[in-house]
Amino acid sequence: EVQLVESGGGLVQPGGSLRLSCAASGFTFSNYWMHWVRQAPGKGLFWVSRINRDGSTLTYADSVQGRFTISRDNAKNTLYLQMNSLRAEDTAVYYCVRDVTDWGQGTLVTVSS
Amino acid sequence: EIVLTQSPGTLSLSPGERATLSCRASQTVSSNYLAWYQQKPGQAPRLLIFGASSRAIGIPDRFSGSGSGTDFTLTISRLEPEDFVVYYCQQYGSSPQTFGQGTKVEIK
Repeated sequence: EVQLVESGGGLVQPGGSLRLSCAASGFTFSNYWMHWVRQAPGKGLFWVSRINRDGSTLTYADSVQGRFTISRDNAKNTLYLQMNSLRAEDTAVYYCVRDVTDWGQGTLVTVSS
Repeated sequence: EIVLTQSPGTLSLSPGERATLSCRASQTVSSNYLAWYQQKPGQAPRLLIFGASSRAIGIPDRFSGSGSGTDFTLTISRLEPEDFVVYYCQQYGSSPQTFGQGTKVEIK
């Protein structure tokens, strides 16, 4: 069974940093592109970033480019999202997604003073 | 960036009725890489349809997807009580991947 478990969310002040993790199991992690998608409270879905199988190709939404960094450790079956210079509008549940098929349950990031 | 517009914003129907949800793209969706998701309150989205018309594993056959190019449709042939939630379309053929704003199916 595919499992994606996010962690690392929490309350952070504007301008602060957080690092999200996504522990993957039940499949060969290194065979899949992985994504981060977020959902602000009461709003729709927004694609944030993606990474290819070996971590050599990284893509970001314009609104997070230069502030967020996606990475992966295939030996640890873990996906990461380093988020710097956080803004109030980054407040959302962040989901780890395998291809388009499987989603984690999400981790809530709240940016507020 | 491809903009996806879903319509209607809210669909009011009764159990047993047929639901037709639309997703229109501002540009051609490459290789018809169009997915539909269902999201229940407090839960992560669940994949229903990929490649515009292929049902994901475990999805009941009352859900079907159709369309190509810029116009796509999700059809729920007979609404069950658990189907009255929110649905999103997503294109994953071009970067950045984008989502529609969602359609809420509510009980009439």
